[in-house]
Amino acid sequence: AQSVTQLDSQVPVFEEAPVELRCNYSSSVSVYLFWYVQYPNQGLQLLLKYLSGSTLVESINGFEAEFNKSQTSFHLRKPSVHISDTAEYFCAVSDNYGGSQGNLIFGKGTKLSVKP
Amino acid sequence: DTEVTQTPKHLVMGMTNKKSLKCEQHMGHRAMYWYKQKAKKPPELMFVYSYEKLSINESVPSRFSPECPNSSLLNLHLHALQPEDSALYLCASSQYRDAEQYFGPGTRLTVT
Repeated sequence: AQSVTQLDSQVPVFEEAPVELRCNYSSSVSVYLFWYVQYPNQGLQLLLKYLSGSTLVESINGFEAEFNKSQTSFHLRKPSVHISDTAEYFCAVSDNYGGSQGNLIFGKGTKLSVKP
Repeated sequence: DTEVTQTPKHLVMGMTNKKSLKCEQHMGHRAMYWYKQKAKKPPELMFVYSYEKLSINESVPSRFSPECPNSSLLNLHLHALQPEDSALYLCASSQYRDAEQYFGPGTRLTVT
């Protein structure tokens, strides 16, 4: 069965510092990978996705993630964070074939806290 | 437009009540989902509808009853819930089963 590991449950960082949120997944077969962000008392917003093609994917608000098949990782990075980036971040994986096709398996989440 | 709407935003109900949660999307998506999210936890999949047919029911108690009246609407009927059912209930949709999912803002449910 698929599993997703987010290695850090909490990441405190100062404003304008760089940040990396780590995500590893278990599957060795073809998968789709996602990062979702959840602000307090809100639903999940799709931040970025890897379906195929370039292994480096970028979001409109400065986040990027790189798919590394050999290390089964999909780490999220931002070179300079803002206070408004404070939120819970979930990494998710789905199989792109088979009976469980499309089912999202979430990591436990990483709470990013940006301090002034 | 990547909007999924959910009503109500908040719901407080007693254990003997019957209520319904509603979800709507107008993106032409053919797959819709219900998730349950407890505090400080990731979402847990409850139900999946694909082309208006229930394709996955993740061993959810029968006090939760999903309904998909048409391709844009998804309901979750609630009856005889327990206090441990208190959670954020999230609806999501995707173009197809293996496409990215877009989530609604959720309904915060409290069972007293």
